[in-house]
Amino acid sequence: EVQLVESGGGLVEPGGSLKLSCAASGFTFNNAWLSWVRQAPGKGLEWVGRIKSKTDGATTDSAAPVKGRFTISRDDSKDTLYLQMSSLKTEDTAVYYCTTDTSLGSFDSWGRGTLVSVSS
Amino acid sequence: QSALTQPASVSGSPGQSITISCTGTSSDIGGYDLVSWYQQHPGKAPKLVIYEVSRRPSGISSRFSGSKSGNTASLTISGLQAEDESDYYCCSYAGSSTYVMFGGGTKVTVL
Repeated sequence: EVQLVESGGGLVEPGGSLKLSCAASGFTFNNAWLSWVRQAPGKGLEWVGRIKSKTDGATTDSAAPVKGRFTISRDDSKDTLYLQMSSLKTEDTAVYYCTTDTSLGSFDSWGRGTLVSVSS
Repeated sequence: QSALTQPASVSGSPGQSITISCTGTSSDIGGYDLVSWYQQHPGKAPKLVIYEVSRRPSGISSRFSGSKSGNTASLTISGLQAEDESDYYCCSYAGSSTYVMFGGGTKVTVL
């Protein structure tokens, strides 16, 4: 059974930094493309960014609102995905979900999410 | 870019069929057969119910079906049941620079 467990969320002041982790199990992590998707309170889903598998170059792409501020990385030895967030803004407040990413934007497994609150 | 356009709400009685539309452009829905749909119950993570326009993941009821015509994709739920009451989001691949776009979501109410 695929399991994705996010951690690292919390309260941070505007301009601050936070690093999220996503521990994976139940599938071959090093072959997987992975994405982060977020959901602001009471709002819809928003794609944040994606990292390809190492065999596909481990390249990353990010959505325009977070480009240059958020960095996605992976540690295949630990089956863990990361999201380093810096220069955080109040509008980054959301539940952040880790997902497996197949078929170019088909997010077939999701974690339960971790809440990031950006407020002074 | 703007999100894909979905109706805010759709309702139906048990046993009926409902259809949720998702309208985009030729740069997303119209350009690729890569539309997916997600069901999200309150306080829960989204769940994939349709991918690649009309394919169902293992374990998803055949009551869920997807289609596409031009720049509009649709999700149909037949034989509506109380457990189908949820929020539904469409998503489309939008090319290598944008990657994907989500719709704003549709709240389905079972009367």
